[in-house]
Amino acid sequence: SQQGEEDPQALSIQEGENATMNCSYKTSINNLQWYRQNSGRGLVHLILIRSNEREKHSGRLRVTLDTSKKSSSLLITASRAADTASYFCATGFKGGSEKLVFGKGTKLTVNP
Amino acid sequence: GAVVSQHPSRVICKSGTSVKIECRSLDFQATTMFWYRQFPKKSLMLMATSNEGSKATYEQGVEKDKFLINHASLTLSTLTVTSAHPEDSSFYICSARAPPTGWSNQPQHFGDGTRLSIL
Repeated sequence: SQQGEEDPQALSIQEGENATMNCSYKTSINNLQWYRQNSGRGLVHLILIRSNEREKHSGRLRVTLDTSKKSSSLLITASRAADTASYFCATGFKGGSEKLVFGKGTKLTVNP
Repeated sequence: GAVVSQHPSRVICKSGTSVKIECRSLDFQATTMFWYRQFPKKSLMLMATSNEGSKATYEQGVEKDKFLINHASLTLSTLTVTSAHPEDSSFYICSARAPPTGWSNQPQHFGDGTRLSIL
C-alpha cells in the first residue's frame, strides 16, 4: 500500500504545549501535504513540502521531510484549544499522478 | 482564495432515491476535481478523479454506475449516488486542484463535505 500512516493515532496535550505528529509512507513521492479536518467538516490545506525540500514553516507549523526514511513530521508550537482537530498527511506521487493518498490521521485534542 | 463550495451539506433520504452532490470552485478554474468518501474515524478514500470535458477515472472497486460523476465546466463537478441504499451512507467530500504554476503541483482545496444518510 502507498498509504501514509500517521503516528500517533491520537494525541492529547495542554494548551501551550507543542504537538508533534509523524507520517510514514512507502513509495517515492513528488510532494507531501498536511491537512487539517475539524469534526464533520472538509479538509483545510496546511502545508505542501516538495520531495527536494527538508523543512518548511508556516506560522506555528513546522514540517520536516526525510525522504531517506520516507517520513515527515508536523510540529505545532504553542498549541491552542482551537488546534483541536484531526491531522492528515497526504502523499503525491512521482510519475505525473494527480492523486493524493491520505493516511489515517492523528486526532489532536488540545485541552484548555 | 481557492474556495470550494459543496452542496448540500446534509442529505437524509429514503432507500432507492438518487442523490446529487455539487462541488464548485468559486474563485479559480479547476480542470480536475476529486471525489472522496470518508467513513467514521477513518481516512479519506479516493473514489474518482473528475476531469472537465471527459469521463471520470474511477478507483478500483468503485461502481461507475452507482456513482455518476459529471464535470461539465471548469468550476462544477457533480456526484450522483444512484438508487442509494443504507450502505451508501457516508461522508462525501470533493476537492479541486488549482492549475499548476510552472513545475509545481498545487494543493487540493476541499469542500466542507456532504453527510449522506439513507434510511
